[in-house]
Amino acid sequence: DGGITQSPKYLFRKEGQNVTLSCEQNLNHDAMYWYRQDPGQGLRLIYYSQIVNDFQKGDIAEGYSVSREKKESFPLTVTSAQKNPTAFYLCASSKGASNQPQHFGDGTRLSIL
Amino acid sequence: SQQGEEDPQALSIQEGENATMNCSYKTSINNLQWYRQNSGRGLVHLILIRSNEREKHSGRLRVTLDTSKKSSSLLITASRAADTASYFCANTGGYQKVTFGIGTKLQVIP
Repeated sequence: DGGITQSPKYLFRKEGQNVTLSCEQNLNHDAMYWYRQDPGQGLRLIYYSQIVNDFQKGDIAEGYSVSREKKESFPLTVTSAQKNPTAFYLCASSKGASNQPQHFGDGTRLSIL
Repeated sequence: SQQGEEDPQALSIQEGENATMNCSYKTSINNLQWYRQNSGRGLVHLILIRSNEREKHSGRLRVTLDTSKKSSSLLITASRAADTASYFCANTGGYQKVTFGIGTKLQVIP
């Protein structure tokens, strides 16, 4: 079955640590996205990538970094510069432009110890 | 960025009743999409309506779009307990610009 796999499902971070969230897709989609979801605030776009080796900042990119070395993979690093990282992180992909339906993974919940 | 707004933010109905959720947006759109999210899971795409369409059906789902009022509605007919979830609208304007609303939390009571 084609889909998007996010791992781990739960992640804990100590103060001052960087952590990396994994996102892999086997849908052969060109575009991939990272969103942050906080209670009552819907989804906010962190970063997106339209093709390999290219990505753009979304609305809340500060404190985050990404890479897109392979079409299938779009890992997100939450750096120590992100002061309020506790949230539910969702990865998505789409065939091309973002006006196409997006397919989502089941998310990673990040908490601070 | 500006987010769309779903209305109501929470809705509780009995199984078998219809559920209507509304979405307002502020910018011009290319299309508007509706998604469902079960608790603790990712979003699932339900239906897409283009800016030149006024109504679209998919199974028990009916979506309308009024571009003059910058609003859309999602109707779920004959609701089931399994429809319990949060529902989001997403408007897609320019290339790579998708804005999600804050969602409507629907509870269907068996």
